[in-house]
Amino acid sequence: DTAVSQTPKYLVTQMGNDKSIKCEQNLGHDTMYWYKQDSKKFLKIMFSYNNKELIINETVPNRFSPKSPDKAHLNLHINSLELGDSAVYFCASSRRSGTATYEQYFGPGTRLTVT
Amino acid sequence: RKEVEQDPGPFNVPEGATVAFNCTYSNSASQSFFWYRQDCRKEPKLLMSVYSSGNEDGRFTAQLNRASQYISLLIRDSKLSDSATYLCVVNLNTGGFKTIFGAGTRLFVKA
Repeated sequence: DTAVSQTPKYLVTQMGNDKSIKCEQNLGHDTMYWYKQDSKKFLKIMFSYNNKELIINETVPNRFSPKSPDKAHLNLHINSLELGDSAVYFCASSRRSGTATYEQYFGPGTRLTVT
Repeated sequence: RKEVEQDPGPFNVPEGATVAFNCTYSNSASQSFFWYRQDCRKEPKLLMSVYSSGNEDGRFTAQLNRASQYISLLIRDSKLSDSATYLCVVNLNTGGFKTIFGAGTRLFVKA
């Protein structure tokens, strides 16, 4: 059973298009994240949701809009795609208890290529 | 200064060698610490949490020094399968929660 799943795994699209990536976790976690890993392999957090509420919103263009319909799902919609958006996008989840944040479990990644 | 800094790589070691990775963090609000492993074109996977008293899992030993804001990972008896990128990860609690990943250290273990 896949703990954190993402679809699609690969996404090739043209500049200016709008696309969505979906993420689901079956671990019962209450916190989910989106990360971007660029060509230099640096992993940077974009958003985090706790119990469907946005708690982290890093400096990300507002063309990126996350949506969490429930605790098990966190989707990422990207408008007007640009060449610089090409990267691997990872979804992750963790549990949180009081002030403690536990280890994160990652999905397999979505490799986005904008041409 | 980066919030989480790791040894520059790559480390090239022979099988059986002992290798140590270091990581420093700048924010004293750092609360929990982890080492993750990432294989080429794969997702990061938790290797081990890092506890204040230090902890060991088989060939892997992690240490935390809060006073110096320093974390280390020691790998003994390196295997070919240990070749990967090792990521130092810090969770901050500054009123909001935030996870910071280090840039990673690449390890190549050769026969």
